Amino acid sequence: AQTVTQSQPEMSVQEAETVTLSCTYDTSESDYYLFWYKQPPSRQMILVIRQEAYKQQNATENRFSVNFQKAAKSFSLKISDSQLGDAAMYFCAYRSPSFGNEKLTFGTGTRLTIIP
Amino acid sequence: GAVVSQHPSRVICKSGTSVKIECRSLDFQATTMFWYRQFPKKSLMLMATSNEGSKATYEQGVEKDKFLINHASLTLSTLTVTSAHPEDSSFYICSARDAGGRYYEQYFGPGTRLTVT
Repeated sequence: AQTVTQSQPEMSVQEAETVTLSCTYDTSESDYYLFWYKQPPSRQMILVIRQEAYKQQNATENRFSVNFQKAAKSFSLKISDSQLGDAAMYFCAYRSPSFGNEKLTFGTGTRLTIIP
Repeated sequence: GAVVSQHPSRVICKSGTSVKIECRSLDFQATTMFWYRQFPKKSLMLMATSNEGSKATYEQGVEKDKFLINHASLTLSTLTVTSAHPEDSSFYICSARDAGGRYYEQYFGPGTRLTVT
């Protein structure tokens, strides 16, 4: 079974600075998807970024980028130019690519605080 | 973008009663929906996978007779908590898989807070 580990329960960053959230995972599959989800106080889960394991290039979405190290099974999220609206819980998640087996396995989350 | 709704957003019920939570995909068809439970300041735990027209697949440790799931159409799945007890109080979140999407993306509903008194 796949497992996802987030070792930082809480992180804080000064507004406009850069912060990196860590995530490691364990799997025996060679192909899979990795995700970062954001859960603000409203509790609505929002997809931040997606990485396909067969792609070597790190995914980027505006101020959000990942550092995907497949051999190390590491998938960190970098948030540049942090904004107050980035304050939220961030969950790393793993998903198999197989049709019919798309359930997500979530990490325990990292609470990100933005300091004005 | 794809939208998933949940109803109700909050519900309070008395111990021993049943409560139904609806999950709807508003602008896409969802052959598969997922039900999660989230305790305060904790991660999401998958309870079951709901497939349209067939029986749901429950995760280990989830009582299927207590958490009844019905996925009667391509846009609606329901979770019924039967004979609810205070320990069932939690935040329940559904997600719907877009069968037509490239990545079989899951879109999440806004969640339902259940309080059992």
